[in-house]
Amino acid sequence: IAGITQAPTSQILAAGRRMTLRCTQDMRHNAMYWYRQDLGLGLRLIHYSNTAGTTGKGEVPDGYSVSRANTDDFPLTLASAVPSQTSVYFCASSEGADNTGELFFGEGSRLTVL
Amino acid sequence: GQNIDQPTEMTATEGAIVQINCTYQTSGFNGLFWYQQHAGEAPTFLSYNVLDGLEEKGRFSSFLSRSKGYSYLLLKELQMKDSASYLCAVRDSNYQLIWGAGTKLIIKP
Repeated sequence: IAGITQAPTSQILAAGRRMTLRCTQDMRHNAMYWYRQDLGLGLRLIHYSNTAGTTGKGEVPDGYSVSRANTDDFPLTLASAVPSQTSVYFCASSEGADNTGELFFGEGSRLTVL
Repeated sequence: GQNIDQPTEMTATEGAIVQINCTYQTSGFNGLFWYQQHAGEAPTFLSYNVLDGLEEKGRFSSFLSRSKGYSYLLLKELQMKDSASYLCAVRDSNYQLIWGAGTKLIIKP
């Protein structure tokens, strides 16, 4: 089934550890996004990529980094995890950043930092 | 700053109609989206409005008034499976999506 795959689904992590959340899409979408979702808040954009080879900072980029080496993959790395990064992380994609198309979301990665 | 406001929670009865409102203040406007999110799942696309008026899609309709910075999602013939959170999002002048916190809709038999 075409779509977006995220891994891991859930992870408990000690503070200070490095963690990479993986995201792969097979729809050949140009744009990809990483959001975090916290109770009582709207989805907040961490980083985005409008096309392979380019990335940009979203609303809450501090403590996170991304890369976009090819069209399909968009990993999110926490260099040194802190408890405030406990959240549900969603990867999403769209055909383009400025078209009317919808966002397609992965199933989410629930991260707990202790 | 940019802001999307929608009610935190609403309750409705199975078979009835419910309207979920969304007001926005953003830097520019390039479309408004509604997404549905069941608990523990990913958001899924419901509707898109870029021009004023009503867009109808089955039991769901979405309305937009750009001059008022206002939209609503109308759900008819409510079913138990409609229990979910409904997220309003506006695409700003930089084509970034600004999201509301979501409205949790509880359907009672």
